[in-house]
Amino acid sequence: ELKVEQNPLFLSMQEGKNYTIYCNYSTTSDRLYWYRQDPGKSLESLFVLLSNGAVKQEGRLMASLDTKARLSTLHITAAVHDLSATYFCAFQGGSEKLVFGKGTKLTVNP
Amino acid sequence: EAGVTQFPSHSVIEKGQTVTLRCDPISGHDNLYWYRRVMGKEIKFLLHFVKESKQDESGMPNNRFLAERTGGTYSTLKVQPAELEDSGVYFCASSQAGRFNEQFFGPGTRLTVL
Repeated sequence: ELKVEQNPLFLSMQEGKNYTIYCNYSTTSDRLYWYRQDPGKSLESLFVLLSNGAVKQEGRLMASLDTKARLSTLHITAAVHDLSATYFCAFQGGSEKLVFGKGTKLTVNP
Repeated sequence: EAGVTQFPSHSVIEKGQTVTLRCDPISGHDNLYWYRRVMGKEIKFLLHFVKESKQDESGMPNNRFLAERTGGTYSTLKVQPAELEDSGVYFCASSQAGRFNEQFFGPGTRLTVL
C-alpha cells in the first residue's frame, strides 16, 4: 500500500528566504502531484512529475522527483507573502486514486 | 468553463442525522472522485466513478456512506446516520475520460457532526 510522509507540517518563514518541503513515499509510484490550497478554496494543481529526475519550475516554486530515493521536493526561492497557503504532495501508484501527504501549512512573514 | 462545484459549502448536523453532499463535475468529465480530510489528517480517497459505475470504492469507510452518480453527471454522497468521526472536509474531483488524467478539485464541503 502506497504511503506518503510529508514534512514539515508547518513552516513559518521570512520573506526572501529559501526553503524545501519534502515528500517521501513507500512504493512504486506512477506520477507525483503538488497542489496548493488557499483557505476555503479548491486544491489547485501546481506540478505533475512523471519520471525520475523530472524537475519543473513555475515562478518561485520548483518541484523535483527522485524515484530511486522515493522522494519529491518542493523548493521555494525568495519567498513572498502571496505564497502563504497549504501545499500537498500526492502520488498515484497503480490506480487512479491519489494518495496525499498531510500537507504543509506555509506562512510567509514580511 | 465552470470548475467542479460542491453543495453545500458547510453543513452542521447532529449525530444520528442524515446528510447528503452533492458534487457537479466539470462538464464532460467521465471520472469523478470523492475524497475526505478529517481534522489533522491526510486527504483520503473514498471512491471513484467512471460515468455512472463505481470503479473503485475501496476507501469508503463503512456502510453508512452511500455514493451515487445517476446518469453519469452529478454525484451525491449520503451519510446515514452520521457519527462524530464523520466530521471533516469532503472533496470532489473530476477528470477527463481515460486513465491518469489530471484531477480537478472542488472547494469541498465542511461537515460538522455534533
